[in-house]
Amino acid sequence: NAGVTQTPKFQVLKTGQSMTLQCAQDMNHEYMSWYRQDPGMGLRLIHYSVGAGITDQGEVPNGYNVSRSTTEDFPLRLLSAAPSQTSVYFCASRIRGNTEAFFGQGTRLTVV
Amino acid sequence: AQSVTQPDIHITVSEGASLELRCNYSYGATPYLFWYVQSPGQGLQLLLKYFSGDTLVQGIKGFEAEFKRSQSSFNLRKPSVHWSDAAEYFCAVGATAAGNKLTFGGGTRVLVKP
Repeated sequence: NAGVTQTPKFQVLKTGQSMTLQCAQDMNHEYMSWYRQDPGMGLRLIHYSVGAGITDQGEVPNGYNVSRSTTEDFPLRLLSAAPSQTSVYFCASRIRGNTEAFFGQGTRLTVV
Repeated sequence: AQSVTQPDIHITVSEGASLELRCNYSYGATPYLFWYVQSPGQGLQLLLKYFSGDTLVQGIKGFEAEFKRSQSSFNLRKPSVHWSDAAEYFCAVGATAAGNKLTFGGGTRVLVKP
């Protein structure tokens, strides 16, 4: 099984550019989330979704948009990249309820 | 709001020695607790989880963790560390009342000396 797939693995953007980080899961999980990982701060929740058509903000949503048109896909859009968005981004999915999350391999984003 | 604290940012341990990583959480009801491990350049892999029942839980790779409600702790232990255990470890808490969101601690980086 592929599990949770994130693309791209690496990306360099210039300040002000926009881009979309892709996330797809093949486990039919209802819940999907986006986290960013910064040194010493663990993983912080950006946005999450509890099902197709339903999204909500996490801890650090500013500068990011999401949508969930299908169960499988949960793209994260950076509207106008800023150096503060340099980070490693992880997508995760899980089934309904308090179950463990399955993570993708991450996207390392650098904004210059 | 729920929160997780991992007091140790770095721990260095000799190969073959025991390891204990601390995790303290804050949540008003019974939490759901997880430990994840992240090897360099990799995603997060679940080591173990606690939902209810026996407060000592066994995980993969020889790890175990003990839930202590009175201390709001969920410390991770391994009796004998292998060089391949060098990684970053994250404690996380999930709670139904918080929309099933997971909250992570800041992580503890483990270095293993030969």
